[in-house]
Amino acid sequence: EVQLVESGGGLVQPGGSLRLSCVASGFSLSDYWMSWVRQAPGKGLEWVANIKQDGSDKYYLDSVRGRFTISRDNAKNSLYLQANSLRAEDTAVYYCTRHYGDYVWFDPWGQGTLVIVSS
Amino acid sequence: DIQMTQSPSSLSASIGDRVTITCRASRTINRYLHWYQQRPGKAPNLLIYGASNLQSGVPSRFSGSGSGTDFTLTISDLQPEDFATYYCLQSYTNSRTFGQGTKVEIK
Repeated sequence: EVQLVESGGGLVQPGGSLRLSCVASGFSLSDYWMSWVRQAPGKGLEWVANIKQDGSDKYYLDSVRGRFTISRDNAKNSLYLQANSLRAEDTAVYYCTRHYGDYVWFDPWGQGTLVIVSS
Repeated sequence: DIQMTQSPSSLSASIGDRVTITCRASRTINRYLHWYQQRPGKAPNLLIYGASNLQSGVPSRFSGSGSGTDFTLTISDLQPEDFATYYCLQSYTNSRTFGQGTKVEIK
């Protein structure tokens, strides 16, 4: 079964840092682009960042560029999001997802990990 | 960046109704448009990919159409399990964008 499982969320103070992880199973992470997508409480979906198979290309949402870093370890079948200088507006459920198919949709998705930025 | 304008933001409908949700891209995205359903507390679930292709396992009452800048998701014969929020996603550019979402509620 193709599956993604996120971890690493939690409560952090403004200005703090967290490292989110996503472990893939049922497929080889090295074959796919991957993305992080977030959803603030009661709000819509927002793409955050993506990374090429070998890590050589990365793209970011403007509001997180310079604060967040996406990375991967294909040997561990794992994707990461290092989130620094966190703000209240970064509070959200963070999902990892795979880029798939000719038209490159997102599928599957993990169950998400909740990040709360609050003092 | 490509902006995705989704409408309506919410709608009320009855069981058995036909429902239409639209997404408009700020510039052409060919057929790089996908539709997701999200139930409360759950991850999004893929319904339609490439504008009009039904994902395996998704009921045939769901359909998608469009290309270029204008796209439509149609749910015919609305069922109780279809009350959820629906999002479009463009994958034409490396910076992906979602529509704002459409919440389908019971009338």
